[in-house]
This record gives sequence, structure tokens and C-alpha cells, in this order.
Amino acid sequence: AAGVIQSPRHLIKEKRETATLKCYPIPRHDTVYWYQQGPGQDPQFLISFYEKMQSDKGSIPDRFSAQQFSDYHSELNMSSLELGDSALYFCASSFRASTNEKLFFGSGTQLSVL
Amino acid sequence: QKEVEQNSGPLSVPEGAIASLNCTYSDRGSQSFFWYRQYSGKSPELIMFIYSNGDKEDGRFTAQLNKASQYVSLLIRDSQPSDSATYLCAVRGRGKLVFGQGTRLTINP
Repeated sequence: AAGVIQSPRHLIKEKRETATLKCYPIPRHDTVYWYQQGPGQDPQFLISFYEKMQSDKGSIPDRFSAQQFSDYHSELNMSSLELGDSALYFCASSFRASTNEKLFFGSGTQLSVL
Repeated sequence: QKEVEQNSGPLSVPEGAIASLNCTYSDRGSQSFFWYRQYSGKSPELIMFIYSNGDKEDGRFTAQLNKASQYVSLLIRDSQPSDSATYLCAVRGRGKLVFGQGTRLTINP
């Protein structure tokens, strides 16, 4: 079965650079979530999109932005990168219209800011 | 107070024994409850979900929900070394899924 696909798997950037993370949800899923997980931390919710519109916002810095495109894939854009942005970034997708929505996660993008 | 709290662990259990993981949540309006398993450096994997009070069993896993006490637990019977991982409790409140801090479980052969 198709899963959530994230790219790239690993990304190394320097301070003040920009990064773009991509997420391709499971086919027919209409909702995408972005989470950030630091070492030894639980996943922190950043932002979500439903039917290409932002549906909820968490602890996403102003330096970050995201969008969901017409094919339902999503991109997380990160600017003015800081050392503290180094983390594992997960995308998850779901079918919100289902009675009991379940999230399925991609393999994540490991971002290292040097 | 965190929205979702777990017994922080680490938890060490002998192989073949029962592992018990606990989670409490603060939002009484929460509707859906999930347990994810996460191996180091990997993504969370959904292993159990429960929506109604009581027990739900799936193989060696049993999820228990008590909405009055705002408590959800996960029991793993006949623990195997491959069950060694971090277990994340997740609760859906108003829209987003909120995770607990995770409990690291080690099964000793």
C-alpha cells in the first residue's frame, strides 16, 4: 500500500539559509499535518491543511511557511535557519471525512543546521 | 500542565511479561485516542486506536480508555525484544493530534 512520502530524507544547511521540505500524502487523503521532533522530544505540531486550506496552526515559527497544492502535496518552507531548527520533520496524512480520522506518518526529513 | 502526559520511563520489562504504559489527558472534549510506536530515528507507527470507554484488544495489544478519569493505557502481553521502542500516546482534541512525551520501553531477553 502507498504510504506518505517525504523528501529529502536528509538535509544539511547552514545558519541563515533556507530549506524546503516536501510531503506527498497517501492517495485520496485530504489532510496533511507537519510535526517537528527534536532529539528525545515528542513530536510538536506545526501546521495542518485540509483540502488545500490551512486548517490549524501550532508552534510554527514566523520564519516557516507551508502550503498544500492542488495535487494535495505539501511543502514546508523554512527561512533564516537557526541551529535550533535541527530536528526530524514529519509529515502525516489522513482522510478527515472518515468517522474516526487516523494519521499516518512519512519517514521524515532529518534537517541539520550547521 | 501538558495536554497529554505519559509515565516518562524508561520502563524495563522481562521478555514474556506484560508491559503497561499509561497516559492522561487534560481536554475532556477529546474524542480519539491513539498509541504510536516509534523506533529511534524512525517515524511514529500507529499500533492501536480507541474511541469508546472500555478495552480494545488487537493481538498482544490491549488499549484501555476511561474518559471519566481522562486516562488511556496500553498493555503489551508476552513482551518481545522487538517491542523495545518509544511509545507515544496521542489524543485528538479540537482538530490537531497532540502527543505525549513518550515512554521508552526496553524488553530484556
